[in-house]
Order: sequence, then C-alpha cells, then structure tokens
Amino acid sequence: EIVLTQSPGTLSLSPGERASLSCRASQSVSSTYLAWYQQKPGQAPSLLMYGVSSRATGIPDRFSGSGSGTDFTLTISRLEPEDFAMYYCQQYGSSPQTFGQGTKVEIK
Amino acid sequence: QVQLVQSGVEVKKPGASVKVSCKASGYTFSSYGISWVRQAPGQGLEWVGWLSVNNGKTKYAEKLQGRVSMTSDTSTSTVYMELRSLRSDDTAVYYCARDPLPFSSWVVYFDYWGQGTLVTVSS
Repeated sequence: EIVLTQSPGTLSLSPGERASLSCRASQSVSSTYLAWYQQKPGQAPSLLMYGVSSRATGIPDRFSGSGSGTDFTLTISRLEPEDFAMYYCQQYGSSPQTFGQGTKVEIK
Repeated sequence: QVQLVQSGVEVKKPGASVKVSCKASGYTFSSYGISWVRQAPGQGLEWVGWLSVNNGKTKYAEKLQGRVSMTSDTSTSTVYMELRSLRSDDTAVYYCARDPLPFSSWVVYFDYWGQGTLVTVSS
C-alpha cells in the first residue's frame, strides 16, 4: 500500500501568515487522486480538496492544492483563526486508500 | 442537506462484538457507497472498509478481514458496521463516510462524514 508522509508534524504560525503543508507518497499516486481534509478537536474530518487542486463545496479560495507524482502541497495563503486545525492528506488512486499521519497547524 | 448520524458510545470487553450504525438522510441512499474510517486516540485515520449500498458488495481492510462486516437496511437508510473479537487496539472513534459520486468503487475520497462513534475496548 502507498504510505503518505506529511511534514512538518506541527506548523506554528500567526494569523495572516502563509502555510505550506507537504504530503509525500512512497510511490506515485495514480492520476490526480489526492485529497486533503481538515479536522478540528472533537470533530469529524471535513473535505477540503480533492483531485489535488479542486476545492470542496464552500471552501474559500485561500486554500489551494498542487503537486503530482509523489509530492503534494496544501497551501493556505493567509491563515484565519478558524484554520488552526489538523490536516490530513489521502490518496485514492490505489487500493487501499491511505491517509497521512497529519500536520497540526497551531497558533504561534 | 446530507447528514450521517451515528449511534452512541460503546464500551466493550476484549473478545466481544460491537455493531455501530450510521443513519443517512438528504440524498438517495441506495446510490452511494459508505466507508468506515477509524481513528485511534491521538492517532491518524485508517480506512476500515466499504459497502456498496446499491448491491451489497463489500471490501474490507486486509488487517480486519474475518472480523468486520458491513450491511445496510434500505427501509431505514441505515448502514451498520460490526466488528468481532474486539482487542484493545480496536479502541478508536469510528466514522462512517460517504462516497462523493453515485455507484463509485471503494477507492474514493469522502465528501460527508458522520460525527463519529467512540468504541472503547477494555477489561
């Protein structure tokens, strides 16, 4: 199965700053089958991005996704207070779909 | 609006079984598959398995084969996940999550999630 490694484990930033989250795959992810989720404490994950760069319904355009092959990035252009949370990447190009271990974006 | 509402907290002893439900509303129930994803305390997300509500086909994570089963009841728009021979490392929050497109395969992302059900396995 494809192992996804997210870095950094924790990102300490201030509101208004730019966040770049990395997701690296152990082998090439088929087509553009990579998604990102946001999870806040005590809540279920919620879909942010799919197909590498397509935003889910209602997701603001400060969130963007890029990458291909084995290297993917989620960028938050200017952090809002509600963006401080845990973020997970997921590949769904190969069975079984797998998730990264997560990056926590915390307030500095 | 699409909603997935799960059953409540479960506490079980090692070796027992648990059955968690996920009641769907706001869409055509039989057209969309449902996966289960679990999250151990303080850990990441792990795919458990998938059910095609349309035809009953299932696909389970290899490590859980033989201990997990998934079924649905179209009369109540509810999906069930049963996990048997529980062990302490099955302690986790179990989420149901919907396929993003009708009649998908099991290798998908998830557009709607239930609120989660905490299953604690402890003697």
